[in-house]
Amino acid sequence: DAGVIQSPRHEVTEMGQEVTLRCKPISGHDYLFWYRQTMMRGLELLIYFNNNVPIDDSGMPEDRFSAKMPNASFSTLKIQPSEPRDSAVYFCASCRDRVSGANVLTFGAGSRLTVL
Amino acid sequence: GDSVTQMEGPVTLSEEAFLTINCTYTATGYPSLFWYVQYPGEGLQLLLKATKADDKGSNKGFEATYRKETTSFHLEKGSVQVSDSAVYFCALSDQAAGNKLTFGGGTRVLVKP
Repeated sequence: DAGVIQSPRHEVTEMGQEVTLRCKPISGHDYLFWYRQTMMRGLELLIYFNNNVPIDDSGMPEDRFSAKMPNASFSTLKIQPSEPRDSAVYFCASCRDRVSGANVLTFGAGSRLTVL
Repeated sequence: GDSVTQMEGPVTLSEEAFLTINCTYTATGYPSLFWYVQYPGEGLQLLLKATKADDKGSNKGFEATYRKETTSFHLEKGSVQVSDSAVYFCALSDQAAGNKLTFGGGTRVLVKP
């Protein structure tokens, strides 16, 4: 398996532009997570899906952020409009199930976003 | 709520030195504990885990023992290599909190030749 695949790896955009980050989880993994990593706040869980359904989006910072999972093999995280404080590395991760102990996430390589 | 506290870095040491990264946790239930490692430019990957008290997780020369009495899961390696330079994250998964994975802030380790 190719692992969790994220695109783009790097994105530089200007304030106010729309940003779309993409993720392909590992086949057969029922859970998908979006995390954000910054120096100031560390690793933050934004949202997670189970069987394509959003379960907990309490970590989504504000209405400018939205996430979708139209099918088991694809998810997007969209920021519209983007702001400089959104600059971060965004990680997608997936796992097969969430039984404690088997809750082992596989992370993608991340998408580094810079908003000027 | 659940939380994980780990020592702040950076930790700088020489090759073949002994490494310890402290990790303590707070959880409402009986969590599983994990160490993840993030190499430069990459995503996090599981290093080791322990699912119950007194379990020892080990991988690549790293070890950590689940200590319920001290709510700790310290990471150790007897002889580090330059290739161990990375950021290490302690994490817990608490069934009482819906198995949400909670991460510590990460500890950057730099091993010099």
